[in-house]
Amino acid sequence: EPEVTQTPSHQVTQMGQEVILRCVPISNHLYFYWYRQILGQKVEFLVSFYNNEISEKSEIFDDQFSVERPDGSNFTLKIRSTKLEDSAMYFCASSEALTKQYFGPGTRLTVT
Amino acid sequence: KQEVTQIPAALSVPEGENLVLNCSFTDSAIYNLQWFRQDPGKGLTSLLLIQSSQREQTSGRLNASLDKSSGRSTLYIAASQPGDSATYLCAVQIKAAGNKLTFGGGTRVLVKP
Repeated sequence: EPEVTQTPSHQVTQMGQEVILRCVPISNHLYFYWYRQILGQKVEFLVSFYNNEISEKSEIFDDQFSVERPDGSNFTLKIRSTKLEDSAMYFCASSEALTKQYFGPGTRLTVT
Repeated sequence: KQEVTQIPAALSVPEGENLVLNCSFTDSAIYNLQWFRQDPGKGLTSLLLIQSSQREQTSGRLNASLDKSSGRSTLYIAASQPGDSATYLCAVQIKAAGNKLTFGGGTRVLVKP
């Protein structure tokens, strides 16, 4: 079965640094998402992306965050100036339409 | 605002016993509901998806039911095995909020050999 892949699996960065998390969604999917899970907490929606633009974003997704689909296969999440509270597992997901969302294995971001 | 709750937060059963995991949601105008499995430190594996028009879905030992009017879903796992030990999450997609999923806090399951 096709899979969503994410790189890196673990990223350690210093507070204030920029990070880019990368995702390769399933090839025929049209909708892309980022979620995050702070340790011990619920999985939270960050942003959804369709037709090369953001279709919905949560209140968490402030000006420090941005997403991009730089080519036909990658989908990236950029955090411009990381904070300690950005430490979390970040999941990318994709779907064909309003259907099952397939999740990647996640990137663990540690901000020190 | 949609709220999703899973009770209990943790469950421990002997091998072979059937598992019953509960999920409740506050807004019944859902598009679908998905059940996921999450192993420690790992990603989310989709188990079952139930469309709002469906009452249940089955896959192997897994059966999920949906009662939209009462805002409830139940995941049944028959004849549990130690390999079923994981956290099980439910998530709903509502019509008014685009495609985003709203997750419950999960039920952590331990199946003892």
